[in-house]
Formats: sequence, structure tokens, C-alpha cells
Amino acid sequence: GENVEQHPSTLSVQEGDSAVIKCTYSDSASNYFPWYKQELGKGPQLIIDIRSNVGEKKDQRIAVTLNKTAKHFSLHITETQPEDSAVYFCAASMAEKLTFGTGTRLTIIP
Amino acid sequence: GAGVSQTPSNKVTEKGKYVELRCDPISGHTALYWYRQSLGQGPEFLIYFQGTGAADDSGLPNDRFFAVRPEGSVSTLKIQRTERGDSAVYLCASSPMGTVETQYFGPGTRLLVL
Repeated sequence: GENVEQHPSTLSVQEGDSAVIKCTYSDSASNYFPWYKQELGKGPQLIIDIRSNVGEKKDQRIAVTLNKTAKHFSLHITETQPEDSAVYFCAASMAEKLTFGTGTRLTIIP
Repeated sequence: GAGVSQTPSNKVTEKGKYVELRCDPISGHTALYWYRQSLGQGPEFLIYFQGTGAADDSGLPNDRFFAVRPEGSVSTLKIQRTERGDSAVYLCASSPMGTVETQYFGPGTRLLVL
């Protein structure tokens, strides 16, 4: 089955700086790659996603890049703000089943 | 509008007991998913319903776990003979068309087995 690895497990950045989280996946058949933000006591919230026929997607301060050849994808957050502090999960899927990474705890330092 | 709701929000039980966890999906969503999230880990897929039927139950860890969705809306995850290792957050998600990119998650039920 699919295996998703995520790095780093924790990340601290100064407010206003950029944050980058990286994931790799194992199954070349995976074709959908979402990123979720999870705040304490809440369920995961989809923040951005990308399909295998696209290399990059951007939504305001958030962008995702995908390299299918290398089987890795990354989340980029620019101009970080305190409210960006949370745990972020990447995931990969084919069909309906999502396989998640182990998460990155992002802390924005004011 | 209302999102996915899950009840109870917290459940404490004793080893060997039976528990039921409920999920109310967003109205009109045809697909419903259950995931389990252990401390410090990402969610792990358990089962997926399309309408009333379980389309994929390959993530259920063993036969102590069972889920139903009799009318194609509310779903119940049932765990028999609970074990301490079952302690986790159980997440439910729903989707309007069974397409994975539109999964909306509920807040989860935190299950603690003593």
C-alpha cells in the first residue's frame, strides 16, 4: 500500500518568514495530494490540494509543488502569521482512500 | 451551514466494554469515511461508505470493529470488547460525491479505554 513520509516533525519560524514542509510518497499510482491543517481539539481542515497533472498550485500565501518523477510534494507558506500555528498533514491517494503523513507541528514565533 | 458532527466528543470506557460512536454527515453528502488518529500520528483510514453500503472496509483492524450506515446518512462505528490499544481519536468525514478532494472532517470522538 501507499506510504507517506513527512518532514520535519516540528518547525518554528519567525512571524513573517516562510515555512516549508516536505512529503514523499511510495505509490506512483497516487494522483491526488491534499494538505490539511489541524488545530487542537478539531478535525483536519483542507487548506490546499494538487492533482498529478499539475506541478504547482497557489492560493494567496499558500502554495504546493509536486514532483511526480521524484514522488515528492511540498507545502510553502509565505508571510507567516500567528494563526498559522497548527499541525499540518500531507496526504496521498488513489481512489477514495487517503494515506496521511505523520504531521508537522508548525509554531510561529511573534 | 452545519458541518460534520460527532457524538460523543469524549468517551471513557473500561477494557472489554462495547462502545458506539456516531457521525452525522453534512446533509446531502453521499460518501462517509471513518479514520482513526493515534496520538502524534496522522489519521488512518478505516472504512468508506457510498450511500448505505461499505465500499471499502480494508482499514478496519479486526472483527471487533464494525460500522453501519443504514439510511445513507448517519453512521455508527461500533467497537466490541474494547482494548487499551483502541484509545485514539476517531474522525468522521463526509463528501458530496464520493470524490476524495472534498472530504470535510468532523471534530472527532476521543476514546479512552482504561
